[in-house]
Amino acid sequence: EVQLVESGGGLVKPGGSLRLSCAASGFTFSNFGLNWVRQAPGKGLEWVSSISSSSTYIYYADSVKGRFTISRDNAKNLLYLQMNSLRAEDTAVYYCARGSTSAVGTGTFDPWGQGTLVTVSS
Amino acid sequence: SYELTQPPSVSVSPGQTASITCSGEKLGDKYVCWYQQKAGQSPLLVIYQDRKRPSGIPERFSGSNSGNTATLTISGTQAMDEADYYCQAWDSSTALFGGGTKLTVL
Repeated sequence: EVQLVESGGGLVKPGGSLRLSCAASGFTFSNFGLNWVRQAPGKGLEWVSSISSSSTYIYYADSVKGRFTISRDNAKNLLYLQMNSLRAEDTAVYYCARGSTSAVGTGTFDPWGQGTLVTVSS
Repeated sequence: SYELTQPPSVSVSPGQTASITCSGEKLGDKYVCWYQQKAGQSPLLVIYQDRKRPSGIPERFSGSNSGNTATLTISGTQAMDEADYYCQAWDSSTALFGGGTKLTVL
């Protein structure tokens, strides 16, 4: 069974940093692109970032560009999101989702993890 | 910047057909996916490449995409289909989601 489990969320002050992790199992991790999508409380889905299977291609939403960094460790089956200079508007549940191929910038988000809540507040 | 627009809410009676639209400029030129999100759960892919159903998704879910509008159709809607539905497409390596449509089955 394909499984994605996020961790690392929590309460952080504005301007602070946090690193999220997503542990994958049940598929050949190095063959798939991966994504982060977030959902603010009571709001819709917002794409955050994508990384191709070999980390060659990386894309970010304008809202996080320059503050967030996506990375992956194919040896450990882990996806990361380093979040710096956090703002109140970054408060959301952060989901990791597998892409449909090794590429990104195309395809689906399937499946999704259960999400981890990040709260940015003083 | 490119945007996808969905109606905030749609209501349907059990057993009837629900249609949820997603509009964007020349959306028919792009592939559209649809995700279902039930309360307190993670999103679930229900339609990809405009009209294809992933394994395990009931046949009552179907999709179409032409011109400026993509449509998710749920035939014979059941109470279990009550959820938020999001369309999604890619534009210049940016993933876009519609604002979401709350489907109420009453």
